[in-house]
This record gives sequence, C-alpha cells and structure tokens, in this order.
Amino acid sequence: ETGVTQSPTHLIKTRGQQVTLRCSSQSGHNTVSWYQQALGQGPQFIFQYYREEENGRGNFPPRFSGLQFPNYSSELNVNALELDDSALYLCASSLGTAKYYEQYFGPGTRLTVT
Amino acid sequence: AQTVTQSQPEMSVQEAETVTLSCTYDTSESDYYLFWYKQPPSRQMILVIRQEAYKQQNATENRFSVNFQKAAKSFSLKISDSQLGDAAMYFCAVKLVFGAGTILRVKS
Repeated sequence: ETGVTQSPTHLIKTRGQQVTLRCSSQSGHNTVSWYQQALGQGPQFIFQYYREEENGRGNFPPRFSGLQFPNYSSELNVNALELDDSALYLCASSLGTAKYYEQYFGPGTRLTVT
Repeated sequence: AQTVTQSQPEMSVQEAETVTLSCTYDTSESDYYLFWYKQPPSRQMILVIRQEAYKQQNATENRFSVNFQKAAKSFSLKISDSQLGDAAMYFCAVKLVFGAGTILRVKS
C-alpha cells in the first residue's frame, strides 16, 4: 500500500509568482485535504476535495485554489504569492470527509517566498 | 468559529513515566470527532488516537488514552510508560481544526 506522497519537497518562489503543489493520495482514499503549517504552529485547513468536488474551505482567499483528479490525486495552486505564504503545505487523504475519518498525511512541501 | 486550544507549548517527561497533554475546544455541533496527531521532527504526521463525541467511553490505544469531558469540552491525552520515541509535537484536532501543538520532550 502506497502512502501519501507530495511533490516537490522544497520550492523557492518570488513574490507575485504562481505555484502548483501536487499530492498523491493513499490507495483507496477518495478525499484529500490541504493544510498550511507555519513554523511552530498547527496546520490551518485550506480546503478539502471529495470525489473531485470542493467539499469545505477554510479562511483562505480565492488565490488559493485546488483540483482533484479522477484517480483522487490533487493539486494546490497559489496565485500572486505573498511573503506570508511561506510555510509547510501538507496534504492528507482519508476514506471520507476528514471531519470524521483518520487522515493520512504526506511529508509536506516547504514553500519559501522571497 | 470553532477553536482548539492547547495551553501547554512544551512538556517534559522522564522515560517510563506518565504525562498528560491538555486540549480544550469550542464547537456548536453535537456530533463530531476528536483526534490526537503526532508529528515527529522532520517526519510525517500520524494519528495517535480518535474519539467519537457521542461515545461516553474514553478511547484507548495501547499506552495512549484520552480523558474526554464533553460538557467541559476537554480532550486530554495521557501517555503511559513514556518512551524516547514518543518525543514529538502533538496536535489536538476537532474535525478539521488543529490546535497550536505541544512539544513533548522525553528524558532518559
């Protein structure tokens, strides 16, 4: 059974640029959630995708957008990057909505915006 | 808005002893799930234990157990017989909201 994977591991971008982060969910999982984790803080929920549809969103602006593909892998896109977007971005997959089911986390993508 | 508070930024425990990590939360819902996750340094976050709010019985998973007080909105994690491998950041989560975490240090 393959766990949750994320790519890339690290990324450095300039303010104003756009970035795409990728996540492959664990086999059999149909839900993917994305989190932003600033250094020394807890993960902040960005949004969740269930069977290719957005199914819940946290307090993040529209420049944070996502996509889920038929194989349940997912992308997180961030436009017009700001310095405060520098963080570890975690992807987690689950059997159903993450409100009730255990989430399996990937190793994260470390994004640095300069 | 839902909130999760972990009031202990850092805790220390001697190997083989017991430690309790605190968590309080606020939610208006009656049916929800609560979680404790562990994030070791430079390693992936993993689930430690899960509690269903409608169940009165506290969840237990080997050396890990919870003390769930629904009326008080409290959900603490007890780690018995602490081991060096327990050293990590621990997060309490209610549905999709995580607390700020507690760093647990285990002394040999």
